[in-house]
Amino acid sequence: GAVVSQHPSRVICKSGTSVKIECRSLDFQATTMFWYRQFPKKSLMLMATSNEGSKATYEQGVEKDKFLINHASLTLSTLTVTSAHPEDSSFYICSAREGRADVFQGQFFGPGTRLTVL
Amino acid sequence: GQNIDQPTEMTATEGAIVQINCTYQTSGFNGLFWYQQHAGEAPTFLSYNVLDGLEEKGRFSSFLSRSKGYSYLLLKELQMKDSASYLCAVRVWEAGTALIFGKGTTLSVSS
Repeated sequence: GAVVSQHPSRVICKSGTSVKIECRSLDFQATTMFWYRQFPKKSLMLMATSNEGSKATYEQGVEKDKFLINHASLTLSTLTVTSAHPEDSSFYICSAREGRADVFQGQFFGPGTRLTVL
Repeated sequence: GQNIDQPTEMTATEGAIVQINCTYQTSGFNGLFWYQQHAGEAPTFLSYNVLDGLEEKGRFSSFLSRSKGYSYLLLKELQMKDSASYLCAVRVWEAGTALIFGKGTTLSVSS
């Protein structure tokens, strides 16, 4: 089946630093990847939709200058949390879509990255 | 706006059957998904419904009524490992192919 990896799985950083999270589709090409964040005991909140070779589309309320998304290839998208603060501490999950938009092939999730900002 | 409702918590015993309901009011509809998520892990895909009716996959079944904006996930022969959060998600064209998630239902299975 389709496998999506994320790196790192866990990161602790100091307030004010930047953190980059990688999301890779290992055995398929993902023209679209999605970034979600999840607070404890809460559901997944979509942050942005990332299309290969174009600018990401951010959801309302998500600061694009703070959460930089790059989707440079069909197998890699990165999320950079710039000048991280404690309130950015969360579980960040990426997902990748396989198949054409009009045919459901599944949306596959990475294992997530636990970010803790001290 | 988009609204997806699920019960927050449910409890059941091993071997039993449990039904987790989900109602949605969304601007557009292009499929409903159920995911299972264990604490600290990514969601894993369980089922997908886009037409009315029941989809069965082993111990798990999912039902959809588009006219009622209603779905349920049915889990049979419950096992301890089924203790997890179950997320109902709707794909609406307004969001492209992204999914809008409900808050999730935490299911606790006891012996």
